[in-house]
Amino acid sequence: SAVISQKPSRDICQRGTSLTIQCQVDSQVTMMFWYRQQPGQSLTLIATANQGSEATYESGFVIDKFPISRPNLTFSTLTVSNMSPEDSSIYLCSVEGRGSPETQYFGPGTRLLVL
Amino acid sequence: GENVEQHPSTLSVQEGDSAVIKCTYSDSASNYFPWYKQELGKRPQLIIDIRSNVGEKKDQRIAVTLNKTAKHFSLHITETQPEDSAVYFCAASYRGNEKLTFGTGTRLTIIP
Repeated sequence: SAVISQKPSRDICQRGTSLTIQCQVDSQVTMMFWYRQQPGQSLTLIATANQGSEATYESGFVIDKFPISRPNLTFSTLTVSNMSPEDSSIYLCSVEGRGSPETQYFGPGTRLLVL
Repeated sequence: GENVEQHPSTLSVQEGDSAVIKCTYSDSASNYFPWYKQELGKRPQLIIDIRSNVGEKKDQRIAVTLNKTAKHFSLHITETQPEDSAVYFCAASYRGNEKLTFGTGTRLTIIP
């Protein structure tokens, strides 16, 4: 599977501020995804990051709150805007498997605490 | 959209015994069913997956079974070991729409 890294690994932020999370893959992938995992909960898909076009957001997630960039086939960013304590979560990116687009492999996650 | 239910939410098993986690899905178009293991503070890791053209798949101590008619699939772990303690998530998707819908997770504890 691909080697996936995320930055930062964790952060503590003040409410009202924004944080940009980076996801880097060691090989080109078509599909990249962003998930949120609230404390003690399951994973919820935020959006699919499409290279060369706007991200596709899931119900309950909007571009103004979670803008996403996908400038190339190895990199994506997720911004959490105007943060509130309810945004405290783990944010994970995932990528498709090589030769198996339905398989997804996850990055190490970004643990965000909003005060 | 797809809805995946997972049971039980917690499971305690004596070391050496077997553990079974069950999931049901709602969308008959779903044809890919992975299982992820998430240890505390770590990323979800794919441990086994099954596609709808197969009824059962085994990899050493873990196996997954799929019943397409009933729309449910199960994870079986035999000869459990302390390192099997983790949260396990099932998920579903279908080819052409590779968005994974996850179950709510099962916290498995292996009692030494």
